[in-house]
Amino acid sequence: EIVLTQSPGTLSLSPGERATLSCRTSQSISTSYLAWYQQKPGQAPRLLIYGASDRATGIPDRFSGSGSGTDFTLTISSLEPEDSAVYYCQQYSTSPSMYTFGQGTKLEIK
Amino acid sequence: QLQLQESGPGLVKPSETLSLTCSVSGGSITSSTTNYWGWIRQPPGKGLFWIGSIYHAGSTYYNPSLRSRLTLSVDTSKNQFSLKLSSVTAADTAVYYCVRDQRILTGYRGFTLNWFDPWGQGTLVTVSS
Repeated sequence: EIVLTQSPGTLSLSPGERATLSCRTSQSISTSYLAWYQQKPGQAPRLLIYGASDRATGIPDRFSGSGSGTDFTLTISSLEPEDSAVYYCQQYSTSPSMYTFGQGTKLEIK
Repeated sequence: QLQLQESGPGLVKPSETLSLTCSVSGGSITSSTTNYWGWIRQPPGKGLFWIGSIYHAGSTYYNPSLRSRLTLSVDTSKNQFSLKLSSVTAADTAVYYCVRDQRILTGYRGFTLNWFDPWGQGTLVTVSS
């Protein structure tokens, strides 16, 4: 089973600042298998990024994804107050066919 | 616009079977070969955990840690899919989400793009006597 490790656990930044969230996988994976989600309190997660770098429909362009191999990054270029949430990365593996999630990064906007 | 809605008991006794149904609206559960249908749970205050996914033709994909207790099924006539988890314990207490599990061939070496969208609103299931 591929393990995803997200860092930092919590990030506290001010509006307008840049946020960099990391997701490291225990084995190299195809970029096509990596997605990012945003979850606000009391809500279901929302898809942000798929294929490591493709924004989902309706996602602002201040959100971007990058990376390859075992190291992936979600960047929020200029933070807005509504970006306060927990962010999860997710990967898919083929053998066996299954998904795993990182433990999440909590982003707080000061 | 595709929408998913979970339904089922909010309280289940230990050792019994947890049963949930997801109703799909705004599209047919059989409409696309790229659509699979899945379940994800989130214990209170914790992270996301993939339970399993099913294709409308019946192929199932289970998390190995739940395989012995899990059954997923699909009812195409009702545009619904369902989850049954047997022998539950307090550790199965969680918000359960149903999701569309999107799998799109990239055309490169058999790789697929994989993501979950949309999500149902989630339903809290508590295991307690």
